[in-house]
Amino acid sequence: LAKTTQPISMDSYEGQEVNITCSHNNIATNDYITWYQQFPSQGPRFIIQGYKTKVTNEVASLFIPADRKSSTLSLPRVSLSDTAVYYCLVGLRMDSSYKLIFGSGTRLLVRP
Amino acid sequence: NAGVMQNPRHLVRRRGQEARLRCSPMKGHSHVYWYRQLPEEGLKFMVYLQKENIIDESGMPKERFSAEFPKEGPSILRIQQVVRGDSAAYFCASSGQPNQPQHFGDGTRLSIL
Repeated sequence: LAKTTQPISMDSYEGQEVNITCSHNNIATNDYITWYQQFPSQGPRFIIQGYKTKVTNEVASLFIPADRKSSTLSLPRVSLSDTAVYYCLVGLRMDSSYKLIFGSGTRLLVRP
Repeated sequence: NAGVMQNPRHLVRRRGQEARLRCSPMKGHSHVYWYRQLPEEGLKFMVYLQKENIIDESGMPKERFSAEFPKEGPSILRIQQVVRGDSAAYFCASSGQPNQPQHFGDGTRLSIL
């Protein structure tokens, strides 16, 4: 069964670094890994995308090991406004089929 | 530079009616994706279209659901003879190329009475 796996929820405090990992054993060879943030009643918002090794932008870093079977979203110094659900999106290949799969989401709660 | 626009934001239908959801992609984007999200769940891929062509509809139910992305105008997701189980948020995303990040609209919340 082609799927991705993320922790259901995480708790953190303001100012801490948060790392969320997504497992995707059957990632398609040419596919990128993309992470999104979603607030209630809104569409997912793009955070970061990468193919391998490390990618960094102004809001997050993305770490991807050589085998690409997982990826870790790193949010430095979170604030209360980072409380949201975080999803990974990858293309998975099983036999001859290809599927775009969203992870089930990680609900991050940032406490004061 | 407008983002992905979806309308209506909320749509109420009675069982057996038709629902039409519209999506205007970001300017310059020719790839459109539709997803469905049930409350407290993740997004499930439905269909991927590129101007006038359906590229992948593996996530879309075979009956009652159809999608199009005409040469001119928005992409349309059509649900015929709606049932209670169709109640969900439907999100559209667009990208410039297949492997570029998808940018999402704020969805259409469909409620079936």
